[in-house]
Amino acid sequence: DIVVTQTPLSLSVTPGQPASISCTSSQSLLHNDGKTYLYWYVQKPGQPPQALIHEVSNRFSGVPDRFSGSGSGTDFTLKISRAEAEDVGVYYCMQSVQLPWTFGQGTKVEIK
Amino acid sequence: QGHLQESGPGLVKPSETLSLTCSVSSYSISSNFYWGWIRQPPGRGLEFIGAVYPTGSTYYNPSLTTRLSISIHTSNNQFSLKLSSVTAADTAVYYCARVPMSFLSVGWFDTWGHGTLVTVSS
Repeated sequence: DIVVTQTPLSLSVTPGQPASISCTSSQSLLHNDGKTYLYWYVQKPGQPPQALIHEVSNRFSGVPDRFSGSGSGTDFTLKISRAEAEDVGVYYCMQSVQLPWTFGQGTKVEIK
Repeated sequence: QGHLQESGPGLVKPSETLSLTCSVSSYSISSNFYWGWIRQPPGRGLEFIGAVYPTGSTYYNPSLTTRLSISIHTSNNQFSLKLSSVTAADTAVYYCARVPMSFLSVGWFDTWGHGTLVTVSS
């Protein structure tokens, strides 16, 4: 299985300040179709995960533009440009280039 | 926007079989998408359990394949999970979710149920 590792595991952010989460995979997530299958999810308290970013850097419909994703190969980053109170939750990266799809351990984001 | 809802016993005894059903509304389960199960042990991360296609074709996580069965019931717009010989390690919140793809070589989960906690204990 592809192992996906996130850092940090927890993060406390002041409203209006940036935040960054790193995600590293044990193998390249570049598919032979040329796309890289790395997704970001957020699980807000009491809710199931909801998708934020697909294929490294593409926001799903309705996701605020303060969220951005970047990276390639095995190293990826999710950035929140200006954190807001509603951004509290656990953020997961997920790879789907190889079955079984696997998730990072999660990064708990707290807003101060 | 579709809705998925998990149902089943919240408590299962060790060595018995865990059985859950996912009821799908506002989507047709016969559409060309996969339907999957994911679980989250308390305080831990997410694990992809497996998925089923409307034809009945399945994918099982190799770590669970000897104990796992996922089936689809198109007449009821439901799909189900059975996990046998459970232990405390199978205690988790179980989510059902839709994979908006007709193949599993790549993809994501776009719509999730709210999850149901299953505790394995005597």
